[in-house]
Amino acid sequence: QVQLVESGGGLVKPGGSLRLSCAASGFTFSDYYMSWIRQAPGKGLEWVSYISSSGSTIYYADSVKGRFTISRDNAKNSLYLQMNSLRAEDTAVYYCARRTFGRSGSYYGYWGQGTLVTVSS
Amino acid sequence: DIQMTQSPSSLSASVGDRVTITCRASQSISSYLNWYQQKPGKAPKLLIYAASSLQSGVPSRFSGSGSGTDFTLTISSLQPEDFATYYCQQSYSTLRITFGQGTRLEIK
Repeated sequence: QVQLVESGGGLVKPGGSLRLSCAASGFTFSDYYMSWIRQAPGKGLEWVSYISSSGSTIYYADSVKGRFTISRDNAKNSLYLQMNSLRAEDTAVYYCARRTFGRSGSYYGYWGQGTLVTVSS
Repeated sequence: DIQMTQSPSSLSASVGDRVTITCRASQSISSYLNWYQQKPGKAPKLLIYAASSLQSGVPSRFSGSGSGTDFTLTISSLQPEDFATYYCQQSYSTLRITFGQGTRLEIK
């Protein structure tokens, strides 16, 4: 069965860095676009970034552009998010999610359990 | 960015009730609209994709409708396990995916 398992979250000071990982299993990872989506405590969902199946196409939300870098290693079935220059407003649970394309757009059918990133001094 | 506005923001209902949640897009998004359910401490779960297609394994009491700018999620007969927060999400703008602010469904 499809599994997505995030890791790498934790407490970091403002201006610091953190690297999140997402280990995928149960499907052909290299066939799918992947995304990072976050949720601040008590708040709604915010799309952060996505990467195409080959890694050649990448987009970021304006709120993280220039600070975060998404990448993937298809040989290791893994997705990454390098987060630099972290701010308090980056505090959130970060989910990796598998993006599926259909007749009318795309959707996230599988999500990981999330990893909490807390940015605080 | 395409703004997604859900109403109501919160809703109280009883087991067995029929419930409707609305999602409005700031511009036409055709049928590029998905619905998710999220329970506390858990990841979101896909319920409906392409406005009206039921995700595999989701009970048939859930249904979605709409196109253009106005969409609805309907639960025909609320069950105890349905009390959760619901989010709509547009995928029309592939470069800027956006979610609604959420609708919290509580037990009356």
